[in-house]
Amino acid sequence: RKEVEQDPGPFNVPEGATVAFNCTYSNSASQSFFWYRQDCRKEPKLLMSVYSSGNEDGRFTAQLNRASQYISLLIRDSKLSDSATYLCVVPARGSGAGSYQLTFGKGTKLSVIP
Amino acid sequence: DVKVTQSSRYLVKRTGEKVFLECVQDMDHENMFWYRQDPGLGLRLIYFSYDVKMKEKGDIPEGYSVSREKKERFSLILESASTNQTSMYLCASRGGGPLTGQYFGPGTRLTVT
Repeated sequence: RKEVEQDPGPFNVPEGATVAFNCTYSNSASQSFFWYRQDCRKEPKLLMSVYSSGNEDGRFTAQLNRASQYISLLIRDSKLSDSATYLCVVPARGSGAGSYQLTFGKGTKLSVIP
Repeated sequence: DVKVTQSSRYLVKRTGEKVFLECVQDMDHENMFWYRQDPGLGLRLIYFSYDVKMKEKGDIPEGYSVSREKKERFSLILESASTNQTSMYLCASRGGGPLTGQYFGPGTRLTVT
């Protein structure tokens, strides 16, 4: 299994829809995970962190399933402004002294359509 | 708010030139990173630093070097630029424990002709 794997999409959903992205990871020792959002030709920005069973922030919910080694991001009531690429991020495997290293997934592209 | 700045948003250089990309963060973070991002390949780690004067190779260090003389500044150096180094370069910093994420600068889009 790759360190981190995401469905690249694209996911095309209508405004108001609920959409969910999954991400699998291979390092069972990982403790904390992150979702980033990246707009076209911009830098990635931290959206949410996940380090227990889950985290909720408004319309966004991130969940962690340690047994199956996946995390998910749920977006409710999608807005046009949610259109972006969503990156799943996990601690880098065997990073040793570089324990602050992260491994980024290649991202899932979301397009919210009027 | 964490602020990470990069010296240039766009840069055009010729093959063989030495290129310096600079990154500055204002949050006293110990850890700083340089990535490049290419379509279809995602973010790839070039080098990182966990303290002043300390550096470690990432996944693709060939053709690059780094310098960290001060805690807030992390520089990426392309010793002799080549066309396959045309890319978006992103600097990031991280501190505050393993439950915090990395914060990125706006990126430098480098074109080598």
